[in-house]
Amino acid sequence: QSALTQPASVSGSPGQSITISCTGTSSDVGGYNYVSWYQQHPGKAPKLMIYDVSNRPSGVSNRFSGSKSGNTASLTISGLQAEDEADYYCSSYTSSSKVFGGGTKLTVL
Amino acid sequence: QVQLQESGPGLVKPSGTLSLTCAVSGGSISSSNWWSWVRQPPGKGLEWIGEIYHSGSTNYNPSLKSRVTISVDKSKNQFSLKLSSVTAADTAVYYCARDPGSSWSHWGQGTLVTVSS
Repeated sequence: QSALTQPASVSGSPGQSITISCTGTSSDVGGYNYVSWYQQHPGKAPKLMIYDVSNRPSGVSNRFSGSKSGNTASLTISGLQAEDEADYYCSSYTSSSKVFGGGTKLTVL
Repeated sequence: QVQLQESGPGLVKPSGTLSLTCAVSGGSISSSNWWSWVRQPPGKGLEWIGEIYHSGSTNYNPSLKSRVTISVDKSKNQFSLKLSSVTAADTAVYYCARDPGSSWSHWGQGTLVTVSS
């Protein structure tokens, strides 16, 4: 199985919105509504931000939203804040297995 | 609140077997969750290793399947990872995590395992 494709980096200014894409195939992202997104700050464990494409766990800011179209899922962060600067990973279910994206470093300018 | 804690040797010799345990507290390992191992080489991305259900049913990353064994000990409320024939490429922070269905909602803090002689 191949890793999902994410941009290596994205950036935005405080208050702006950014979108991170996660591209897979019809065998993973496109085939199941089981895409999740994780935020990881340096030296910390990942934190679940979005599950099942567009659902937010309790306690996660509504500035974070997820969507999917075909084989590409997206994470949108609106009203960027300095604390959003982190690495973001997508993940998808794929036929009794799971796969991550390569990760995207978000820089808040 | 469920908490997970990894433990095991921080240094493993090449060709040896990496063994880690994840202790689950604040909840039962026999609940309706999959229990996973995920690793992250220094400076790199996340890689799913595999998962186990309390029944003993397992799923593994195809790229690691020949070297991985995940087991569960319900009496101790913990699950374990064994990775055989390790090389320097297996040096990573290893995380255990809980998956209630389709994503990892709870993570351990991670433990660094270095493969070196």
